[in-house]
Amino acid sequence: NAGVTQTPKFQVLKTGQSMTLQCAQDMNHNSMYWYRQDPGMGLRLIYYSASEGTTDKGEVPNGYNVSRLNKREFSLRLESAAPSQTSVYFCASSISHGPSSYEQYFGPGTRLTVT
Amino acid sequence: AQSVTQLDSQVPVFEEAPVELRCNYSSSVSVYLFWYVQYPNQGLQLLLKYLSGSTLVKGINGFEAEFNKSQTSFHLRKPSVHISDTAEYFCAVKRNNNDMRFGAGTRLTVKP
Repeated sequence: NAGVTQTPKFQVLKTGQSMTLQCAQDMNHNSMYWYRQDPGMGLRLIYYSASEGTTDKGEVPNGYNVSRLNKREFSLRLESAAPSQTSVYFCASSISHGPSSYEQYFGPGTRLTVT
Repeated sequence: AQSVTQLDSQVPVFEEAPVELRCNYSSSVSVYLFWYVQYPNQGLQLLLKYLSGSTLVKGINGFEAEFNKSQTSFHLRKPSVHISDTAEYFCAVKRNNNDMRFGAGTRLTVKP
């Protein structure tokens, strides 16, 4: 049981390049999330997916797209990377209903640098 | 809108001393409250949560937090810290939807 896994762990991009961050969970969770973490700002929600086939914008969606490929996988795409997207990206998942739905399980993060 | 304020960005403390990490939130509706811990180069782990019921919530690793509705606070406490508690701690607030808001974090450093 690996929990939430993310690839890659580190990435350096040049401005304008594109890339996809991958996330997978093996806990049979319905909901999945993408956050970015910046110093002094905590975590901010980029996009989330309440269930397979649905996605919604979070607090900071501009410059990103997401795909909920199936129940396990939720990818984040940067079409044209900008230095402002230099950050640590975390994927998380949770069940959809009941008190335990409020607990999110986090992956180890992807450290992205855009030069 | 809801927001979360962690009042201290850094808290240095000596081993075996007590510690309190402060968190205030603003929301006009009922919320659910959480504390997460992040060890270096890792993702976040849930320490404890308040959903309803008793306002004193106990979590893992000897931490506890008290929900104070009138003060809109959810401060985290531990009576005696260990070196291994050195980490960043995040307070988070969630309404009855998928919108979880995190505070900026408090870096706890425990010194020998």
